[in-house]
Amino acid sequence: NAGVTQTPKFRVLKTGQSMTLLCAQDMNHEYMYWYRQDPGMGLRLIHYSVGEGTTAKGEVPDGYNVSRLKKQNFLLGLESAAPSQTSVYFCASSYAGGDNEKLFFGSGTQLSVL
Amino acid sequence: AQKVTQAQTEISVVEKEDVTLDCVYETRDTTYYLFWYKQPPSGELVFLIRRNSFDEQNEISGRYSWNFQKSTSSFNFTITASQVVDSAVYFCARPLRSRGSTLGRLYFGRGTQLTVWP
Repeated sequence: NAGVTQTPKFRVLKTGQSMTLLCAQDMNHEYMYWYRQDPGMGLRLIHYSVGEGTTAKGEVPDGYNVSRLKKQNFLLGLESAAPSQTSVYFCASSYAGGDNEKLFFGSGTQLSVL
Repeated sequence: AQKVTQAQTEISVVEKEDVTLDCVYETRDTTYYLFWYKQPPSGELVFLIRRNSFDEQNEISGRYSWNFQKSTSSFNFTITASQVVDSAVYFCARPLRSRGSTLGRLYFGRGTQLTVWP
């Protein structure tokens, strides 16, 4: 019962470097999301996807790009990392609509940008 | 975004005490949803409850109960006879948009850190 799996769990980057966070879910969920969590803050939505091949901006999309080439995977990219992107990143997925629309979260990726 | 406010940053109680976590929300909608999620020390958020604005009845699930009051725009969460395993950060949340959008697009409150001491 893997659920939502995020890789890597930890990463340290230098300013200007790029990286990709991978999220994989095995529950056949239609919807997937990327959130970031900063100290003393709630989670904030970066981007989301309502199906394979589709993505949309969330609340704080600047500096990030995403892709959903396969239904089970949702990738979050940082093209040129900045210290302000130091955060814990959470991926989540859900069924599409109705009473089942609750989020299942991964365990998070701790990213530090120096 | 219409906000969700969790005024209590941290709460500490001793095991077996009852504790209530407050959540106040803003809305201009007549129909809306509210959520509670739990984030234990392991970090992975876990869904607790979803409530829609049509239903103002209190919800009870074991030691957990939720009090939804439209008149005060509050959706408070009570843990009865708290246990050490209840120690976590608890988030109240609502959808960024109430209509025509996935309910997974959430605006989270800042969370309340609950510590239950043995």
